[in-house]
Amino acid sequence: SSELTQDPAVSVALGQTVRITCQGDSLGRFPATWYQQKPGQAPVLVIYGKNNRPSGIPDRFSGSSSGNTASLTITGTQAEDEADYYCNSRDTTAHYVFGTGTKVTVL
Amino acid sequence: QVQLQESGPGLVKPSETLSLTCTVSGGSMTSYYWSWIRQPPGKGLEWIGYIFFSGSTNYNPSLESRVTISVDTSKNQFSLTMTSVTAADTAVFYCARMHTNGWFDHWGQGSLITVSS
Repeated sequence: SSELTQDPAVSVALGQTVRITCQGDSLGRFPATWYQQKPGQAPVLVIYGKNNRPSGIPDRFSGSSSGNTASLTITGTQAEDEADYYCNSRDTTAHYVFGTGTKVTVL
Repeated sequence: QVQLQESGPGLVKPSETLSLTCTVSGGSMTSYYWSWIRQPPGKGLEWIGYIFFSGSTNYNPSLESRVTISVDTSKNQFSLTMTSVTAADTAVFYCARMHTNGWFDHWGQGSLITVSS
């Protein structure tokens, strides 16, 4: 199955914007979804489809893509956004794979 | 609101078979895929496989030889069986509902399975 690569860690100042990227061959054909995971908790879906947010997810979260790279952007980052973020996508045989994960630290 | 709850043994001996069940409440299993995902301590997420409510399955190629997912819609449950476990299978196992377009929109709280003698 395809691999999805993310930067291991990023930091962002409170109130600033951070972009988390996910690279993989399958992203040129299938969209990424994004999950937020806080310590000791199950992951939570934050972006699905092209750029859709489930009910309850703040509009500071947005998704985009270009070629084989998908991005999750947090605009006006809040302290509660500090978490691990994972992208996910599928390949042509409907096998799913998660990205390597990015730890976001809010300064 | 759909809720999922994993149940399992907590501790499994090496070379034995791991069995987990996920109970779905607050909604029907019809028209959705139901998936298992695991996370070793301190590591990332790994998709194990899914089952459609009708019974068709798809598995992670790296685990396919050891994994079976089954469904019992009459009980609103689906299950994971993993054979020949080793310490490398120690992880938190999550069950999740997967939308037909491929996103996991509802997750269980997770069940820690430790493989140790």
